[in-house]
Amino acid sequence: NAGVTQTPKFQVLKTGQSMTLQCAQDMNHEYMSWYRQDPGMGLRLIHYSVGAGITDQGEVPNGYNVSRSTTEDFPLRLLSAAPSQTSVYFCASKISGGLVGSSEAFFGQGTRLTVV
Amino acid sequence: AQSVAQPEDQVNVAEGNPLTVKCTYSVSGNPYLFWYVQYPNRGLQFLLKYITGDNLVKGSYGFEAEFNKSQTSFHLKKPSALVSDSALYFCAVTRAGSYQLTFGKGTKLSVIP
Repeated sequence: NAGVTQTPKFQVLKTGQSMTLQCAQDMNHEYMSWYRQDPGMGLRLIHYSVGAGITDQGEVPNGYNVSRSTTEDFPLRLLSAAPSQTSVYFCASKISGGLVGSSEAFFGQGTRLTVV
Repeated sequence: AQSVAQPEDQVNVAEGNPLTVKCTYSVSGNPYLFWYVQYPNRGLQFLLKYITGDNLVKGSYGFEAEFNKSQTSFHLKKPSALVSDSALYFCAVTRAGSYQLTFGKGTKLSVIP
């Protein structure tokens, strides 16, 4: 199993450009989420999805869009990149069975994004 | 709202000595608590979790953590530190019935040979 796969690993954007960060998992997990990691701030939740066709906002959703058309994929779109979006982005997935919230998250390797 | 505090940005410990990385939390309802580790330029890896039952939970690589409800703490411990334990450690909390994890800011652990 590949687990959670993120592409690309590195990206440089100019202010105002748009792009999509890809995330795919092969574990048939219903729950998927996107976090950003900034120095001294830990991980902050951007958007999440509890299943295909269902998405919701996290703590820091502004400037980002998501969609969930399949169980496997959960892309994150930056509509108009800003320097404040320079960060490391992580995708994670969790199994949904059993006690809700009790399962551990599996993380991708991350995408390091720089907006200039 | 739920939150996690990791009061130490950095913890230094000599190899072979016991280590503790501190975590306190705030959540309404029953907490589900997690520890993750991040090595440089890598994603987060799960170490251990507390869901219910025994307050002392054991996890990967010899780590353990003790859930203390009265002190709302979930400190990570290891009896004998290894240089390879040097990494960034994150505590996270969610409440029973929710998928949303809230992370602390992380603690950098340095094990000195």
